[in-house]
Amino acid sequence: GAVVSQHPSWVICKSGTSVKIECRSLDFQATTMFWYRQFPKQSLMLMATSNEGSKATYEQGVEKDKFLINHASLTLSTLTVTSAHPEDSSFYICSARQGVHKKLFFGSGTQLSVL
Amino acid sequence: GENVEQHPSTLSVQEGDSAVIKCTYSDSASNYFPWYKQELGKGPQLIIDIRSNVGEKKDQRIAVTLNKTAKHFSLHITETQPEDSAVYFCAAGEFGNEKLTFGTGTRLTIIP
Repeated sequence: GAVVSQHPSWVICKSGTSVKIECRSLDFQATTMFWYRQFPKQSLMLMATSNEGSKATYEQGVEKDKFLINHASLTLSTLTVTSAHPEDSSFYICSARQGVHKKLFFGSGTQLSVL
Repeated sequence: GENVEQHPSTLSVQEGDSAVIKCTYSDSASNYFPWYKQELGKGPQLIIDIRSNVGEKKDQRIAVTLNKTAKHFSLHITETQPEDSAVYFCAAGEFGNEKLTFGTGTRLTIIP
């Protein structure tokens, strides 16, 4: 299947700092990527839809100024958690829809721990 | 919007036996039903999917069945192996549409 690369796989940061997570589609172009948040032993919660060349669409309750999304190319979307706080600690996952078959492929996830 | 329920939340199966996970959905417009396997600390991996124009799909030891009338679909894993131990998520949505709604997950444990 298609490959979606997510980096870093884990990050620890101090409260108040910003953290950037990258999501790349390695063998296909993705005009749309998705960002999810997953708490331990829970399902995936869609945070936002990242659209190449335009603004991201955020789900209800997700602060767009806190979770900045940039989709500058057809193979790269980034999620920046600004002024991170301990409650932002979570597993963040991206996904991309592979064009022809329109199947959703996921990155390997990023475990964020804010101290 | 779509609502997906998944059962059971945990499942333990003796190695070699079969495992069945069931999901129901609410939106009759949904026509695409993928299943994902998530191992600890990793992102979900697509293992099989089905569209509403078929009732069953099989790929080696994995099969998915769909009952459109009852709005439920199931994942069947036969001849289970220890490496099948993981969390499995079902999802539902419209094929080619941007969003999928995920079930709450099933933690499958294969007992050697």
